[in-house]
Amino acid sequence: ELKVEQNPLFLSMQEGKNYTIYCNYSTTSDRLYWYRQDPGKSLESLFVLLSNGAVKQEGRLMASLDTKARLSTLHITAAVHDLSATYFCAVDMHNFGNEKLTFGTGTRLTIIP
Amino acid sequence: EAQVTQNPRYLITVTGKKLTVTCSQNMNHEYMSWYRQDPGLGLRQIYYSMNVEVTDKGDVPEGYKVSRKEKRNFPLILESPSPNQTSLYFCASSHGGREQFFGPGTRLTVL
Repeated sequence: ELKVEQNPLFLSMQEGKNYTIYCNYSTTSDRLYWYRQDPGKSLESLFVLLSNGAVKQEGRLMASLDTKARLSTLHITAAVHDLSATYFCAVDMHNFGNEKLTFGTGTRLTIIP
Repeated sequence: EAQVTQNPRYLITVTGKKLTVTCSQNMNHEYMSWYRQDPGLGLRQIYYSMNVEVTDKGDVPEGYKVSRKEKRNFPLILESPSPNQTSLYFCASSHGGREQFFGPGTRLTVL
């Protein structure tokens, strides 16, 4: 059974600082997604990582994927308050046509002025 | 605008009263799926559909039914809701192998 673990679960950081969220998964997969969720809202797709070594950047967020280590990271650079949200990684096993996403538990990020 | 819509967005009901949550997408996606989100348990898949008339169970299908008669619609049916089905429900859709787009969510409370 695929397990996806995120660290940390909660993160409180000051504006302007850098930090990294880690996502480990237990079974080989080459499709990993990062989503953002604001309180009471839906999930917004941030990054799609489809191969080993993939790196994607959008604004102050950068995501990477190491399929050999079964590890993805979401790096936050010079955090701003607008980045406060819960971030999920999700792995797609695409077994027999089921594109079920197995989600990590989420990292609740709070940016403090 | 490309989107996944769900209705209703909020629903309070009583045990045993049948209900349907609708999901519709306008992106011509083949794949659609239902998830529920619960505190401490994250998001878990209920049912999925690979195309019209093709559906199958996810991880937590008990107490739910689905149908896929048209490509754009994938309703979630609770024949006899119980309090343990109180949750936040999300519909998602995608082309095969691509990122999944999520609907706005339906917050269901079963008393």
